Amino acid sequence: GESVGLHLPTLSVQEGDNSIINCAYSNSASDYFIWYKQESGKGPQFIIDIRSNMDKRQGQRVTVLLNKTVKHLSLQIAATQPGDSAVYFCAENLASSASKIIFGSGTRLSIRP
Amino acid sequence: KAGVTQTPRYLIKTRGQQVTLSCSPISGHRSVSWYQQTPGQGLQFLFEYFSETQRNKGNFPGRFSGRQFSNSRSEMNVSTLELGDSALYLCASSFREFDTEAFFGQGTRLTVV
Repeated sequence: GESVGLHLPTLSVQEGDNSIINCAYSNSASDYFIWYKQESGKGPQFIIDIRSNMDKRQGQRVTVLLNKTVKHLSLQIAATQPGDSAVYFCAENLASSASKIIFGSGTRLSIRP
Repeated sequence: KAGVTQTPRYLIKTRGQQVTLSCSPISGHRSVSWYQQTPGQGLQFLFEYFSETQRNKGNFPGRFSGRQFSNSRSEMNVSTLELGDSALYLCASSFREFDTEAFFGQGTRLTVV
């Protein structure tokens, strides 16, 4: 069915350290997995996506890993900065209806100075 | 380039009333999607419009409806408001119909009393 879950609701990281946000999904038919970031008072902002036939994709300071065997998705943020404080959502969709994005419940990332 | 604009930002309505929310997508974007965000249910897909046609619909009652105009601007309407309709309503636009990268507005905060 359509279900995207998250392991932890909150994550606290020391500034400068790497952050790893995890996500479990249940729909094996999903074509894309996506990460969005939502800062307080703002709408979600696209970070990075990965096709289901890939296992790793890198962006600027971010890496997404996809493990289809255990239906697990993770977002790694390198050298975490105060501006990375936000709620991070993993999401999924089907290529045939890509605009219908199924969001997970979110992980709040806080940065310790 | 201007982002996605949603109006109004805040709205208070009485149970039983109806409400219309507006969304102006990024210039050149033809796909507009609507999402409802609540603390309990998270981000849930409402519907998506492309070229004035509804392409996808989420699992919401018929009280929730929308439309898209020839200039890609979109409106969503909720009739017979219920207390549970209190939420942040987010609009997202994308250039193509099948895009995983959606650009979100700041949302309209609807409070039903």
